[in-house]
Amino acid sequence: GAGVSQSPSNKVTEKGKDVELRCDPISGHTALYWYRQRLGQGLEFLIYFQGNSAPDKSGLPSDRFSAERTGESVSTLTIQRTQQEDSAVYLCASSSTGRQPQHFGDGTRLSIL
Amino acid sequence: KQEVTQIPAALSVPEGENLVLNCSFTDSAIYNLQWFRQDPGKGLTSLLLIQSSQREQTSGRLNASLDKSSGRSTLYIAASQPGDSATYLCAVKGGSEKLVFGKGMKLTVNP
Repeated sequence: GAGVSQSPSNKVTEKGKDVELRCDPISGHTALYWYRQRLGQGLEFLIYFQGNSAPDKSGLPSDRFSAERTGESVSTLTIQRTQQEDSAVYLCASSSTGRQPQHFGDGTRLSIL
Repeated sequence: KQEVTQIPAALSVPEGENLVLNCSFTDSAIYNLQWFRQDPGKGLTSLLLIQSSQREQTSGRLNASLDKSSGRSTLYIAASQPGDSATYLCAVKGGSEKLVFGKGMKLTVNP
């Protein structure tokens, strides 16, 4: 596709379960970003990938959060032992270089019961 | 630590008005600034990106300006339409690759 694709679009799970969120960036974009948008709050940076490496993981809120990227393409954000405060929209973005705009997917809306 | 502020948080106007949306940031050492719109339940759509060396960018009815020294950017929307109703977000990139976002301004344009 032409844009950033995220799946699933919605995820409802019970507290304590693990979840995996997927991002397919725009083809050829080497930079990939994950952000979180909690209700009533601004977007928070989570992690940045350049190729398959993550030079900036400073936004990951705890060690329950991890992410990987393979083939300089697909990325997966994993949240282990989910808590209610993890409920948010998780947005993925990609860009071709740091000087170019970041293009966002529609996000995954995660609800923890 | 960079902080981005957008005031007001919400604005409701009649159709046809020319609008100015404000964004301020605390650290003037930015690399670029990007304006987005977000429709309910959707991701962010990039509207305009201004590099730190630029003063303004234009796209159709939209014009964004940047005054880096004073830590301000404005997004000008000419002849507003109901389809412009959305949340508008300003974000800056500093020394790192991440964007720092304001909380957004919810715009409602009434027919």
